[in-house]
Amino acid sequence: QKEVEQDPGPLSVPEGAIVSLNCTYSNSAFQYFMWYRQYSRKGPELLMYTYSSGNKEDGRFTAQVDKSSKYISLFIRDSQPSDSATYLCAMFSNGQNFVFGPGTRLSVLP
Amino acid sequence: GAVVSQHPSRVICKSGTSVKIECRSLDFQATTMFWYRQFPKKSLMLMATSNEGSKATYEQGVEKDKFLINHASLTLSTLTVTSAHPEDSSFYICSARGASGSSYNEQFFGPGTRLTVL
Repeated sequence: QKEVEQDPGPLSVPEGAIVSLNCTYSNSAFQYFMWYRQYSRKGPELLMYTYSSGNKEDGRFTAQVDKSSKYISLFIRDSQPSDSATYLCAMFSNGQNFVFGPGTRLSVLP
Repeated sequence: GAVVSQHPSRVICKSGTSVKIECRSLDFQATTMFWYRQFPKKSLMLMATSNEGSKATYEQGVEKDKFLINHASLTLSTLTVTSAHPEDSSFYICSARGASGSSYNEQFFGPGTRLTVL
């Protein structure tokens, strides 16, 4: 079993839809969870950073962490064509290296 | 916010030459820097991790003598692709991370360098 699993997509949604992106993981020691957005031919950009379980909201983006289920989600409300990108989840525990998911390619169609 | 720059953004070179890519953290001290490689529509592949002042730790299958990494200061790491060949053509991305407990404990990525070896 891979340490972090993520559906690679591609995921296509119409503009305005609510998008749900998810990752599951196997290492219960992970404490810090991140979502990165990567546009084609660009470096990943940090979107959300959460510690332990709970929700965090930033504009149209909401990150959820459920440590009991080893499951994290990123929700995008009112999706826009400019949200079309690859979304990578990442996680780590203190003193340990980051582990990235393989990324989900999202296309928001106008 | 934390900014990481990479230079050059794009380089084309002839087979057999060496190419140096610089990664700088502009507004924080990066105790750890990472180098990734990414093929089109593929995920990030970690090549090596470097801590300032010590030798880089390479991932399995990455040739140390081919990909030379120097983390000379808390704001600069360089990746040198030695005797580059067409199969080394790829998108190389660095990231930087501050000390544990600091405000920069996440990984912040550079914009990437596209290397094309003819």
